[in-house]
Amino acid sequence: SAVISQKPSRDICQRGTSLTIQCQVDSQVTMMFWYRQQPGQSLTLIATANQGSEATYESGFVIDKFPISRPNLTFSTLTVSNMSPEDSSIYLCSVEQGVGTEAFFGQGTRLTVV
Amino acid sequence: GENVEQHPSTLSVQEGDSAVIKCTYSDSASNYFPWYKQELGKRPQLIIDIRSNVGEKKDQRIAVTLNKTAKHFSLHITETQPEDSAVYFCAASLKGAAGNKLTFGGGTRVLVKP
Repeated sequence: SAVISQKPSRDICQRGTSLTIQCQVDSQVTMMFWYRQQPGQSLTLIATANQGSEATYESGFVIDKFPISRPNLTFSTLTVSNMSPEDSSIYLCSVEQGVGTEAFFGQGTRLTVV
Repeated sequence: GENVEQHPSTLSVQEGDSAVIKCTYSDSASNYFPWYKQELGKRPQLIIDIRSNVGEKKDQRIAVTLNKTAKHFSLHITETQPEDSAVYFCAASLKGAAGNKLTFGGGTRVLVKP
């Protein structure tokens, strides 16, 4: 399985600021995804990070709030913009090494907005 | 889009007993059904998965069954141990298609009492 490194692991941020989360994989992967997991809740897909093109966002998530980059097949970033306390969550990167293969998760970024 | 319902939300069992978690899905086109285990403060980890061309899959104390007609699948853990205590998530997706993505159930918090 792919080794996924996500940074930072946690952060406490002031409201109105932005945080960029990085996801680095040790091998090229076909698919990269970003999820949000609110406290005590399930995982909700934010967007699919597409290499070389704009991310595909799920209903309820917009590019202005959650801009995503994926410059190559091993790296992606998620930015949480203009943060409010409601953005306090765990953000998880997920990858699939090939089409039709299982998904693996990074260790997550625990974000607290104060 | 796909909708996945998971029951029960909490499950308490005595060590050595069996645990069963059930999920239903809405999209008959879904063909891949993984189960993830998430321990407190850790990333979700894939424990078993099943594809729509099989009805049952087993791995040691863990088994998953799939009923495509009824659109439901279940996780069975036998001879439960305290280390099985965690939150378990089921998911569904359409593997092999463009934009394949996982839709998660709400999760089941399992407590195994020694």
